[in-house]
Amino acid sequence: AQSVTQLGSHVSVSEGALVLLRCNYSSSVPPYLFWYVQYPNQGLQLLLKYTSAATLVKGINGFEAEFKKSETSFHLTKPSAHMSDAAEYFCATSTGANSKLTFGKGITLSVRP
Amino acid sequence: DGGITQSPKYLFRKEGQNVTLSCEQNLNHDAMYWYRQDPGQGLRLIYYSQIVNDFQKGDIAEGYSVSREKKESFPLTVTSAQKNPTAFYLCASRLNTDTQYFGPGTRLTVL
Repeated sequence: AQSVTQLGSHVSVSEGALVLLRCNYSSSVPPYLFWYVQYPNQGLQLLLKYTSAATLVKGINGFEAEFKKSETSFHLTKPSAHMSDAAEYFCATSTGANSKLTFGKGITLSVRP
Repeated sequence: DGGITQSPKYLFRKEGQNVTLSCEQNLNHDAMYWYRQDPGQGLRLIYYSQIVNDFQKGDIAEGYSVSREKKESFPLTVTSAQKNPTAFYLCASRLNTDTQYFGPGTRLTVL
């Protein structure tokens, strides 16, 4: 069975600071990994995905994530936070193109002026 | 303009009533999904459908029902058997790839 762990429920950073949102996964097979962003009262928007190609994945809005098999991690980073990055972020995993997604509980990112 | 639409955006239900949430997509996607989102719990899968006229239960199907009579449409009915239906409901769809795309959601409140 797959699972995703997102430690902590809330991260707060200053505008211009590094953003680091952690995601660890558990999977018996090579995983597909995703980061989604959700703004209040909206649906989820795909930020980036890892599907066994390059381990460093670049996404939209300046975000990127690195797949580390030895650490079973897929942490999301952005060098410089912007006020518009304030949202909830979800990490998710699946085992292939036609399989179901398993989501983490999400992390709320706040950005201080 | 392609995408996934959900209606209504807000829905209020009295206890004991069934309500149906709409999900429509014009992306020609084969698979469609319904999730429930509660604060601090992430998204949990209710039902999914890989092809027309076929659907499977997800992790929390009790108290819900679905139909898939057309490729574009995957309505979700929240029945009176669902004891705690107040939540944010998200519909998603997927073509024959790995990525699910989400609609804007419906917030259901039981009065």
